[in-house]
This record gives sequence, C-alpha cells and structure tokens, in this order.
Amino acid sequence: AQSVAQPEDQVNVAEGNPLTVKCTYSVSGNPYLFWYVQYPNRGLQFLLKYITGDNLVKGSYGFEAEFNKSQTSFHLKKPSALVSDSALYFCAVRDPNSGNTPLVFGKGTRLSVIA
Amino acid sequence: DAGITQSPRYKITETGRQVTLMCHQTWSHSYMFWYRQDLGHGLRLIYYSAAADITDKGEVPDGYVVSRSKTENFPLTLESATRSQTSVYFCASRLTRAGLETQYFGPGTRLLVL
Repeated sequence: AQSVAQPEDQVNVAEGNPLTVKCTYSVSGNPYLFWYVQYPNRGLQFLLKYITGDNLVKGSYGFEAEFNKSQTSFHLKKPSALVSDSALYFCAVRDPNSGNTPLVFGKGTRLSVIA
Repeated sequence: DAGITQSPRYKITETGRQVTLMCHQTWSHSYMFWYRQDLGHGLRLIYYSAAADITDKGEVPDGYVVSRSKTENFPLTLESATRSQTSVYFCASRLTRAGLETQYFGPGTRLLVL
C-alpha cells in the first residue's frame, strides 16, 4: 500500500526567510512524487515532480524539492518566501510498480508567509 | 487551451435530489479522476477511469455513480444527495506516458446539500 504524510497542518514563515514544507512517503518500490499548490477557491496546480534522476527537483515559482530515499522524504523548499506563496500545499505519491494506480495525497499543509 | 473544465462551479441542492457534476478535458488524457476535498481530510478519491467505459472505485465511492462514454467527459452523479456530500469536488486527468505523467485538476465544484 502507498501512503504519504504531511506532519504539519500549518507552517508560518516570515517573508524573505527560507521555507520548508515536509512530506514523507511509504511505497514498496521507487516512488513517483509530486507537489501541488492550491490558492483560495482554486483547483490544485502542479508545482514539481520526481520521477527519476537527480534527487533535487526544481519547479515553478522558485520552489524545489529533494528526494531522500533513505529518509523516505520529499520536502518542499524555497530559499526566500514571498507573501504570495501563502497557500495550501499537497504532497502526493504513486507507486509505478503497482500499475497505473491513482495518486495518493497527503492532507495538506497550510503555508502562511507573514510580511 | 481550455484544459479541464467543471460545471457547475457552484450548486445548492436539497437532500434526496439527484445532482450531476460535469467534467470535460480537452487533452484526450486516458485517465480521469474525481476527488472530494473536506477540511481535515485533504483530498479523497471517489472514482477514477482508465479509459472510456472503464471505471473503478476509489476510497469513498458510496452514494456516487460515474460513467465515461467518451474519453473527454467524466460526469459524477449523486443519486440521492445527503448533507454529508456537501463538499468541494475536483476532477482531474492524467497522461500516462511513462515518465511524463502529471495529473491536472479542474477548478472545482462547490456543492451545498441542504
């Protein structure tokens, strides 16, 4: 079975400071990992993904995430937070060895960037 | 470049009524999904479809019916709406070419069951 956990419901960070939103996963083989962002009253927008290759993945809006197989983590990071980054962030995982299974999403982490 | 559209965007209905939420994608993606989003539960998968005429249950399928007669459409029907089905519903589609897969979401339908 595949699962993903986002241990923090809420993350607060000051504008200009680095931010990290945590994600850990559980799959039997090598995972496909994704981050999505949701702004108020909007659908989920794709940010970045890890499929294979370089463990450091760069995505939209200056975000990046690092795949760490030994710690089964895929934390989302940004060097300098903006107020406009305030949103709900979802981590998702899929085990490609289980066929074309749906993505499994975490419960989301609300990021608040304070000016 | 419409992507995924959902209609209606907002719907108020009464307990016991039938409601159909529409989803249309313009990419010819083979996979389509319905999720509901509720506070404290994140996104939960209701149903998904691998292709036209192929559907499978997700985590919370009870009370919902889906069909997929055409690749581009994936309607979700609440046969007899209940208050517990008040939620925000998201449709998504996914290209399944190896290594290129990304799931894209529609704007959502906000449903209130009175």
